[in-house]
Amino acid sequence: NAGVMQNPRHLVRRRGQEARLRCSPMKGHSHVYWYRQLPEEGLKFMVYLQKENIIDESGMPKERFSAEFPKEGPSILRIQQVVRGDSAAYFCASSPGSVDGQAFFGQGTRLTVV
Amino acid sequence: DQQVKQNSPSLSVQEGRISILNCDYTNSMFDYFLWYKKYPAEGPTFLISISSIKDKNEDGRFTVFLNKSAKHLSLHIVPSQPGDSAVYFCADSGGSNYKLTFGKGTLLTVNP
Repeated sequence: NAGVMQNPRHLVRRRGQEARLRCSPMKGHSHVYWYRQLPEEGLKFMVYLQKENIIDESGMPKERFSAEFPKEGPSILRIQQVVRGDSAAYFCASSPGSVDGQAFFGQGTRLTVV
Repeated sequence: DQQVKQNSPSLSVQEGRISILNCDYTNSMFDYFLWYKKYPAEGPTFLISISSIKDKNEDGRFTVFLNKSAKHLSLHIVPSQPGDSAVYFCADSGGSNYKLTFGKGTLLTVNP
């Protein structure tokens, strides 16, 4: 049973480009969460999605960031017109339900904006 | 705005001794508190949790203690092993069952 799969593991983008981060949840999991870890910081909640629905996006920056979890395929975190401050590790987690925080995390995507 | 603070960025202990990692929180809601372990270049892995209605939870070498009056929790690892060397994050569910607030982490190094 494969774990949460994120790709790419490393992504380099120039300022102004778009970044697309993908997350395939564990088999049987319909709940996906995205977290961001800035350097020297803890993980910060960004968004919680179920299939085809955004449940809570209170941690998402108001502009340039969007997330989706389509009926088929992986969840996508999209960052438009990236800036240096977007450089961070982005972690996806999944769970079979919203289960008291015991979600399973992927290995993360490290985004570097140059 | 709930906060979770891990005031020690690092901790070094000898193999076989006890490791004690600390965490303070500000929220007063009915919460779950969780500890995650993270190796370099990997995602966090759930370790152990405790409900705010309890004051202790134990799982093998790992025990979490919750002091509600002090808004403080601690993770005890005994005996510590070199494979325990990792960053440990404390997290608060904040009354939600999906939105975790993480501390900045404590790097534990267990020396052989």
